[in-house]
Amino acid sequence: EDKVVQSPLSLVVHEGDTVTLNCSYEVTNFRSLLWYKQEKKAPTFLFMLTSSGIEKKSGRLSSILDKKELFSILNITATQTGDSAVYLCARNNAGNMLTFGGGTRLMVKP
Amino acid sequence: GAGVSQSPRYKVAKRGQDVALRCDPISGHVSLFWYQQALGQGPEFLTYFQNEAQLDKSGLPSDRFFAERPEGSVSTLKIQRTQQEDSAVYLCASSLRAIYSSPLHFGNGTRLTVT
Repeated sequence: EDKVVQSPLSLVVHEGDTVTLNCSYEVTNFRSLLWYKQEKKAPTFLFMLTSSGIEKKSGRLSSILDKKELFSILNITATQTGDSAVYLCARNNAGNMLTFGGGTRLMVKP
Repeated sequence: GAGVSQSPRYKVAKRGQDVALRCDPISGHVSLFWYQQALGQGPEFLTYFQNEAQLDKSGLPSDRFFAERPEGSVSTLKIQRTQQEDSAVYLCASSLRAIYSSPLHFGNGTRLTVT
């Protein structure tokens, strides 16, 4: 089935904590897996992962894909209140169409 | 900078009314997508254009939903005889090329409330 499942559904941490967000999917033949951050408006692009086992980093954020086990994780270290958002994972199918998971709502308290 | 622009930002419609939602993609972007995002959920695919051609409309929930992109730039999503279940945020996204390595850029969405 064409499902993308994210966990946890929501998470509350304090500034400085490290968080790991999970994304699992069921279809093996896909082009890439993407992570987006959504504050109250448009989802903004974070990472695109195409190869298994290669970590992508951007500042305090990093992500990796495991094609064998069909999951990806997004790590955020030294969290800040500005990291509070919904984090969306999406599988990129043919034609650049995305199948999104339900998102993880992260709240970082001061 | 010039991102994806959607209008109106908010729309309240009475049940049974027709609505039209507009999307201005980033200039030169070939692909344009519409997504529907219900409260607390991830976006769900509605339809996809490559230039003016609508290549996939499999996500449109009923024949009350219609989308067009007649000149390959601006797109309009029309919903006829709106129902309460149509209440959602409608997101438009565009990408430079129609390949998986070209990330989608999203607009801020139109929040539709049907009363």
